[in-house]
Amino acid sequence: QITLKESGPTLVKPTQTLTLTCTFSGFSLSTSGVGVGWIRQPPGKALQWLAVFYWDNDKRYSPSLKSRLTITKGTSKNQVVLTLTNLDPVDTATYYCVLARRRGSCSGGGRCYYFDSWGQGTLVTVSS
Amino acid sequence: QSVLTQPPSASGTPGQRVTISCFGSSSNIGREPVNWYQQVPGTAPRLLIFIDNQRPTGVPDRFSGSKSGTSASLAISGLQSEDEADYYCATWGDSLNAWVFGGGTKLTVL
Repeated sequence: QITLKESGPTLVKPTQTLTLTCTFSGFSLSTSGVGVGWIRQPPGKALQWLAVFYWDNDKRYSPSLKSRLTITKGTSKNQVVLTLTNLDPVDTATYYCVLARRRGSCSGGGRCYYFDSWGQGTLVTVSS
Repeated sequence: QSVLTQPPSASGTPGQRVTISCFGSSSNIGREPVNWYQQVPGTAPRLLIFIDNQRPTGVPDRFSGSKSGTSASLAISGLQSEDEADYYCATWGDSLNAWVFGGGTKLTVL
């Protein structure tokens, strides 16, 4: 059974840095064709992709947020960590950790994947 | 403003067939497979359709996906009350080098 769970602060101040951890089970990030990513959803709004860490240690970021985002493996082999710097109230959102799977024998990076499983999400509020 | 365009709302009565559309362009839907996600209020999204028309294990065959040119559709037949949720389309945007989502469609079962 695949599970993903997000953890981190629920309230952060503007200009601070947000660090979120995704702890997962039921799969290995070293398995070919797998990735762990982050997607966020501001209250009442649509989903927005943020970043993905792939099985081969490749990383991809949303171009609009790339300068503020970092995605890394955690201290444990079943963890992925996302950091978002220089927070603003518009960053208030529910942040989801997701399992990305490669479709078939597709080669070519991000376009070959889809988001298979999702964590429950964690609401992060940015406010002074 | 989302890259993919969905109608903000849709509705139907129990047992009815409903279709939700998703419009994109030649740089996203026109060349990449489309996935659909269902989000019941207060819960996380779940994968409903992947690679245009594939259903993950456990998704009822009442749900089906299709694509033509630069648009995609999600069809729900035999509508049930538990289908009331937000539905999002998503695909890879080649020109943006990023995953892109639709703005979501809120489905109401009357």
